[in-house]
This record gives sequence, structure tokens and C-alpha cells, in this order.
Amino acid sequence: SQTIHQWPATLVQPVGSPLSLECTVEGTSNPNLYWYRQAAGRGLQLLFYSVGIGQISSEVPQNLSASRPQDRQFILSSKKLLLSDSGFYLCAWSADPGTPISYEQYFGPGTRLTVT
Amino acid sequence: QQQVKQSPQSLIVQKGGISIINCAYENTAFDYFPWYQQFPGKGPALLIAIRPDVSEKKEGRFTISFNKSAKQFSLHIMDSQPGDSATYFCAASPNSGGSNYKLTFGKGTLLTVNP
Repeated sequence: SQTIHQWPATLVQPVGSPLSLECTVEGTSNPNLYWYRQAAGRGLQLLFYSVGIGQISSEVPQNLSASRPQDRQFILSSKKLLLSDSGFYLCAWSADPGTPISYEQYFGPGTRLTVT
Repeated sequence: QQQVKQSPQSLIVQKGGISIINCAYENTAFDYFPWYQQFPGKGPALLIAIRPDVSEKKEGRFTISFNKSAKQFSLHIMDSQPGDSATYFCAASPNSGGSNYKLTFGKGTLLTVNP
């Protein structure tokens, strides 16, 4: 079965510090990978998605960047955090396109980021 | 702009009652409509989903009703239980013909089921 991991689970960082959040998926190959941000009491905003190693698409211009160094690894980064970067960051995966369940997205446990 | 409008923002139901959450969309290219359930501090979990070729899908106590002409879909939770208390999100994605399926989410409904 497939499993998605995110770490750290919680993070408190000062303004101006760098950020690195990691997501890994087990039990599948060539997944699509997604980063979402969820602000308190609000819906989910898609930040980045990736259809393969080194292939990153950005949905919203912002202070963040993403990378996919390995097939099942997705990293969210920032060089200098802003207060507005606080939120709940969620990684998700969907199956290799062309498979019957490729529409379905499955979310990880999330990382709660507080920028102080 | 691709939007999914969800209502109500919050809902209080008595145990054993029916919870109904509604969503409306604008983009006629949407052809996949999932519902997610999220407990506090957790990631959303895929609950049930529907494609436009059917008007209803039922899984246990959860039913999606879909009205293609009205561009609306809804989640019905029968015999609601306190353990169903969570935030529910509807979403939609197009069949872009490409290699990704980007979900557009509603803003969520906080469901509280009183014992």
C-alpha cells in the first residue's frame, strides 16, 4: 500500500530564516506530487505540482520554491521566511497518469509552520 | 476563474440526523468531484468522489448527489454521528488531457454533530 510522509510535523521559525519541508511517498512509482497551503479556517491553496523529477509548476507567485530531486521526494523551500508564510503545509500525491485512479489525490499528515 | 463555492460554512446536526453540504462550480470542464474529510491537525482524507456520468454515488452513510445541468453537487451524511464532526471540503478537477489533475477546493464546512 502507498504511504506519504511529511516532516517536520511542526516548525517555528523566525522571520528571514530559511525553510525546508520534505515529503516522501512510498509504494508507488512516478506519482504526481503537490504542495498545498491551508491558512487557518480556510480552504486549500495549490502552491506547486510536479509530474516528474525536476519538473515543477508554480501556481502562485510567492516567497516559496519547490524541488523534486527523486521520483518520490518533494521539497518545499524558502530562502527567507515572511510572517505571511505561516500555515499548514500539505503534500499530496496522485498515481501515475493513465492509471484508473490517477484522479485521486491523497494527502500527507501536514506540517504546521509558524513564522515569528 | 475556476471556482468552487461551498455552503454552509458551518453546520450543526443532532446525532442520527442528516447532514447536507452543497457545492457549486462554474467551469464546465470539471469532470471529477471528490469530497474530503479533515480532522483538526490532520491532512484531508479522501471520502468519496463522483464523475459526471452518474447522478448519485453512495458509500455507506455517505452519498454524493450530482446535478450536471445546475453545476451543483452535494454530500449527504445519513445517520450523522459525533465522530463525523470534522471539516468537509468539496473539490473539482478537469480532465485536462494532460498529465496532472489539479484540484480546486471549496472553502470548507465545519460539521458538528451533537450527541
